[in-house]
Amino acid sequence: AQSVTQLDSHVSVSEGTPVLLRCNYSSSYSPSLFWYVQHPNKGLQLLLKYTSAATLVKGINGFEAEFKKSETSFHLTKPSAHMSDAAEYFCVVSGGSYKLIFGSGTRLLVRP
Amino acid sequence: GAVVSQHPSWVICKSGTSVKIECRSLDFQATTMFWYRQFPKQSLMLMATSNEGSKATYEQGVEKDKFLINHASLTLSTLTVTSAHPEDSSFYICSAGALTSVLGDEQFFGPGTRLTVL
Repeated sequence: AQSVTQLDSHVSVSEGTPVLLRCNYSSSYSPSLFWYVQHPNKGLQLLLKYTSAATLVKGINGFEAEFKKSETSFHLTKPSAHMSDAAEYFCVVSGGSYKLIFGSGTRLLVRP
Repeated sequence: GAVVSQHPSWVICKSGTSVKIECRSLDFQATTMFWYRQFPKQSLMLMATSNEGSKATYEQGVEKDKFLINHASLTLSTLTVTSAHPEDSSFYICSAGALTSVLGDEQFFGPGTRLTVL
């Protein structure tokens, strides 16, 4: 069975400093992994996805994630946080049959 | 492209009444639609998967007689919460996928519907 664990429920950073949101996955086969962002009262937006191509995946808004099979991790990073990055972030694994399995979410707070 | 809308965006109803939520793919034909439920400060939980013209597949623990899903066309799916009770209050989110060469296997999410049952 597939699952994802987001290691931090909240992450707080200062504007202009790096962002690291951690995600570990469990999968019985080579997974497809995603990061989604949810701003208040808005739909989920896909930031990036890994589908067994390059292990370093670049997404929108300066985010990127690295797939590390040996560590079963798919951490999301950004070199410099903006105030507009404050939101809820979900790490997601494909559960097969077109299903998505969501992690518990990490709320990113950006301090001025 | 690949926009999904939901209507209404929020609804308040009395206990015992039924509520219908619509999910529409505005600029593509969705072969598959998904319904999720999100409790405050929690993650999304898949409720059911529906394919156009066939019965929905419900996840374990989801009452199919309480949460009626209809996917009558390639652009519209509806979720009806029947005999709603306060514990059904939640944020309901739909997503749609097309499995085309252009859209791939990505799911596109609607903005969600907040249901409050009094």
